[in-house]
Amino acid sequence: GEEVAQTPKHLVRGEGQKAKLYCAPIKGHSYVFWYQQVLKNEFKFLISFQNENVFDETGMPKERFSAKCLPNSPCSLEIQATKLEDSAVYFCASSQSFTEAFFGQGTRLTVV
Amino acid sequence: KQEVTQIPAALSVPEGENLVLNCSFTDSAIYNLQWFRQDPGKGLTSLLLIQSSQREQTSGRLNASLDKSSGRSTLYIAASQPGDSATYLCVVLMDSSYKLIFGSGTRLLVRP
Repeated sequence: GEEVAQTPKHLVRGEGQKAKLYCAPIKGHSYVFWYQQVLKNEFKFLISFQNENVFDETGMPKERFSAKCLPNSPCSLEIQATKLEDSAVYFCASSQSFTEAFFGQGTRLTVV
Repeated sequence: KQEVTQIPAALSVPEGENLVLNCSFTDSAIYNLQWFRQDPGKGLTSLLLIQSSQREQTSGRLNASLDKSSGRSTLYIAASQPGDSATYLCVVLMDSSYKLIFGSGTRLLVRP
């Protein structure tokens, strides 16, 4: 497709429940990034992939967050045992190598 | 550590004015710089991409410049319109880590 598709748009989870977010990158793009937007314009890097391989995971809280990009499937970001502080908008972006990054519309996660 | 700063943080102008948004970054080892706009509750729309070897890019009423050596970029908006009201984000792609680093954003309001 010609746009980055993120699902769902909104997700509400009780504290301690699991949340799973999906991202379909633009066809032909080999890089995928996940960012967490909290408080106005603060974007926190989580993880990036080059095809199905983790490229950089320095931003991931590893004890509860995990992510995958498998061939012929949307990429996913999973949060086990969500906490109130996980409430944020999660953005996915894709790009070809060293070129323009395209962002999805985001998934708003609310933990109650 | 790369830091991207945008000035001003907020700007309110009457319709029709020409305006300049500023972005500065501390590490000049960037691969490219992108300007995005974000409407409230929405995703990021790419406006202009400047590769590190380029000096400027233009699209319609928008013109972005890049001075990599001094760590500065500007986004010029000509003849502003109420529809330009949004938050504008300056984002650099790091050469070494292939990570997108976000500026703090400029919230623009164009008054009719």
